[in-house]
Amino acid sequence: GDSVTQMEGPVTLSEEAFLTINCTYTATGYPSLFWYVQYPGEGLQLLLKATKADDKGSNKGFEATYRKETTSFHLEKGSVQVSDSAVYFCALIFTGGFKTIFGAGTRLFVKA
Amino acid sequence: DGGITQSPKYLFRKEGQNVTLSCEQNLNHDAMYWYRQDPGQGLRLIYYSQIVNDFQKGDIAEGYSVSREKKESFPLTVTSAQKNPTAFYLCASSTGQLFQNTEAFFGQGTRLTVV
Repeated sequence: GDSVTQMEGPVTLSEEAFLTINCTYTATGYPSLFWYVQYPGEGLQLLLKATKADDKGSNKGFEATYRKETTSFHLEKGSVQVSDSAVYFCALIFTGGFKTIFGAGTRLFVKA
Repeated sequence: DGGITQSPKYLFRKEGQNVTLSCEQNLNHDAMYWYRQDPGQGLRLIYYSQIVNDFQKGDIAEGYSVSREKKESFPLTVTSAQKNPTAFYLCASSTGQLFQNTEAFFGQGTRLTVV
């Protein structure tokens, strides 16, 4: 079945370090891909998205490129801040679909 | 401002009692969802609704019930049949329309604790 696999956390980085959170997916069609972020005690917020192969989603310094050949959507940021500490979820949904499939989430800690 | 509102933020329930979590949205979205999140874990889908007066079971529907009498509202009842109800519950909505933006919008969550 369709699924999303994320790298296990927690990921601990120092401020200004480079961030990569890996995400791969298994899907029978061509889904849209998302990264959501969850700050402590809150709901999820959409961080960025890509709707077709080779699209790059970007927001707040974060980027991810939809790679159909490797079925991946890795999240990157060049210089993390303490305020980026949160849980990050990779997700997919098919056009016209109603159910979003989420990865297990990756917790990021950024130290000052 | 448009958004999705869950209430209450914190809820305590005695064992054996039913409790209802509220979810309201003013985004004019057709589709609404309930997820459960356990500590350190991802999201699991409880129920979802594509349209008023219709809903489907998700992956972990046992011990839960929902209704969708209005487009704006999708309350979740945690019944006494749910063996481990303590969790963080998230409500979400999306347009649910073909070829439209399909990202989900989430509420702030309700933390339910059984005492």
